[in-house]
Amino acid sequence: ETGVTQTPRHLVMGMTNKKSLKCEQHLGHNAMYWYKQSAKKPLELMFVYSLEERVENNSVPSRFSPECPNSSHLFLHLHTLQPEDSALYLCASSHLLGGSGELFFGEGSRLTVL
Amino acid sequence: GIQVEQSPPDLILQEGANSTLRCNFSDSVNNLQWFHQNPWGQLINLFYIPSGTKQNGRLSATTVATERYSLLYISSSQTTDSGVYFCAVGYSGNTPLVFGKGTRLSVIA
Repeated sequence: ETGVTQTPRHLVMGMTNKKSLKCEQHLGHNAMYWYKQSAKKPLELMFVYSLEERVENNSVPSRFSPECPNSSHLFLHLHTLQPEDSALYLCASSHLLGGSGELFFGEGSRLTVL
Repeated sequence: GIQVEQSPPDLILQEGANSTLRCNFSDSVNNLQWFHQNPWGQLINLFYIPSGTKQNGRLSATTVATERYSLLYISSSQTTDSGVYFCAVGYSGNTPLVFGKGTRLSVIA
């Protein structure tokens, strides 16, 4: 069992669907992150939350909507996605925000948009 | 911002061989981590090593912060070592880790 769990592990959706990715961390951390990894591309940081407040949004399209209801849970709400949004979405957490905290990842949610 | 470069980008090894992966970074850091991304996509923490040397079984890592590089050593490689190895560095309190592009390792039986 990992300290960071993501569901679902696989998701196929049409462009008009609305779905959500869920992340839960059991490590008592204060910061949570969403990353996107497309095929043969580097990891892209999408959103950062610290103590449930969003502190960074790296110019992510509004069809991706994050939600952090408490320090243990992070969601990524998806709507009207495009086929190029197909990717592996990774959630991570760290005790401290930013450079000095050790980062732990979940197993990822592999998204396919048809 | 800080730049992170990993080399080589790709590496193919025969099972049992040893290898060294390198991570260079452009500024002083207070955090450096090595990750292994397995074929299913999960990133596994290997080392948290802002400085010094650590060993875990067949893997070891050394970071020379003053010279701005870190090395990951894999000895007696196994097919299960295949995947992508990422180096990530942090250099200030509120800035997320910066990832390198990774080294893709293939170990052949």
